[in-house]
Amino acid sequence: EADIYQTPRYLVIGTGKKITLECSQTMGHDKMYWYQQDPGMELHLIHYSYGVNSTEKGDLSSESTVSRIRTEHFPLTLESARPSHTSQYLCASSRGLDEQYFGPGTRLTVT
Amino acid sequence: QKEVEQNSGPLSVPEGAIASLNCTYSDRGSQSFFWYRQYSGKSPELIMFIYSNGDKEDGRFTAQLNKASQYVSLLIRDSQPSDSATYLCAVNRVDSSYKLIFGSGTRLLVRP
Repeated sequence: EADIYQTPRYLVIGTGKKITLECSQTMGHDKMYWYQQDPGMELHLIHYSYGVNSTEKGDLSSESTVSRIRTEHFPLTLESARPSHTSQYLCASSRGLDEQYFGPGTRLTVT
Repeated sequence: QKEVEQNSGPLSVPEGAIASLNCTYSDRGSQSFFWYRQYSGKSPELIMFIYSNGDKEDGRFTAQLNKASQYVSLLIRDSQPSDSATYLCAVNRVDSSYKLIFGSGTRLLVRP
């Protein structure tokens, strides 16, 4: 079973606030990913990292930023939240060219 | 054409039947194939992966891969109402970028 954690699980916040979504894994995986998924819709990759100090933008343009200072930690930050950011954010990790394991997700609502 | 295609469903089967979920992919060089199950409002959960042509069985699940036809399927035997979920097919990117391409998923409904 994958040990990957996300906090908070649910967040309701007002427009213009800065938010950080936390993601941590205890498996020692080098590779970590952030996906965005609207209800009933596809997963979209927004950021990924192949190791410490390595971050890249994904396929879907996002106003969020990420950092990877420690192997186990891959937080996502929105400097100024907007209603268009309302979505579910899923963090995943992988050891290599193989399967990705997902965290429980953060459901974000921006009012 | 999408890189990974799945019928959105819903696929409705009676309890105890075999559910057959299909996925086609466009990049002939893809090597790794995954099936995830996602319950409504939850995150995807890996249930099967397959790398070689043929069948791979794990309990009630069987993954089938045909690289020549660029086709991967998931069979669920003795379907249970608890199997009702969306099933996502994922394929690795050929550029070896350690990224997966996900299909939009097939919704399965198992009728009691």
